[in-house]
Amino acid sequence: EDQVTQSPEALRLQEGESSSLNCSYTVSGLRGLFWYRQDPGKGPEFLFTLYSAGEEKEKERLKATLTKKESFLHITAPKPEDSATYLCAVLENTGFQKLVFGTGTRLLVSP
Amino acid sequence: NAGVTQTPKFRILKIGQSMTLQCTQDMNHNYMYWYRQDPGMGLKLIYYSVGAGITDKGEVPNGYNVSRSTTEDFPLRLELAAPSQTSVYFCASSPGGAGELFFGEGSRLTVL
Repeated sequence: EDQVTQSPEALRLQEGESSSLNCSYTVSGLRGLFWYRQDPGKGPEFLFTLYSAGEEKEKERLKATLTKKESFLHITAPKPEDSATYLCAVLENTGFQKLVFGTGTRLLVSP
Repeated sequence: NAGVTQTPKFRILKIGQSMTLQCTQDMNHNYMYWYRQDPGMGLKLIYYSVGAGITDKGEVPNGYNVSRSTTEDFPLRLELAAPSQTSVYFCASSPGGAGELFFGEGSRLTVL
């Protein structure tokens, strides 16, 4: 069965302190890897799609990268407004393309 | 532009009661989904629809039913509520059925 594991479960950073979140996956045929941001009491908000190893996507202070076994979400010089839970999901290679979600990393950025 | 709208936002049910969670989207997306999110667990797919009149089961469909009579609406019916159905429910839509989903703000359901 396809699995998505995110680490760490929680991460506390000072404003400006760069770090990375990890998403490792086991899937028989990766059709795509997706990053979402979820604020408390809200639904997930789409951030990035990655399709192949070596691919990178950037948005403001966030950069997502992909290897054959894992993806990283790099956060450069974070600000308090980057505090959220970041979810990773992989597109399962079945008859219906179903997203398998990880449990997320809760990020807290302190001023 | 409203996107995906869910109602109600909060609801408390007694064991054995039934209710419907409403979901509507104004983006003309063919694909719609219902997920549940429990603490420490990833989002789990309950049901999905690839277009009006077409629905199918996801990972955790037991105790739920759906219908899709229009492109816009995708209600989720809970029959005979059980404490195990206490969760946050998210409706989502997608234009192409791949991984870029647009989520509603969620409906928090408690069954006592």
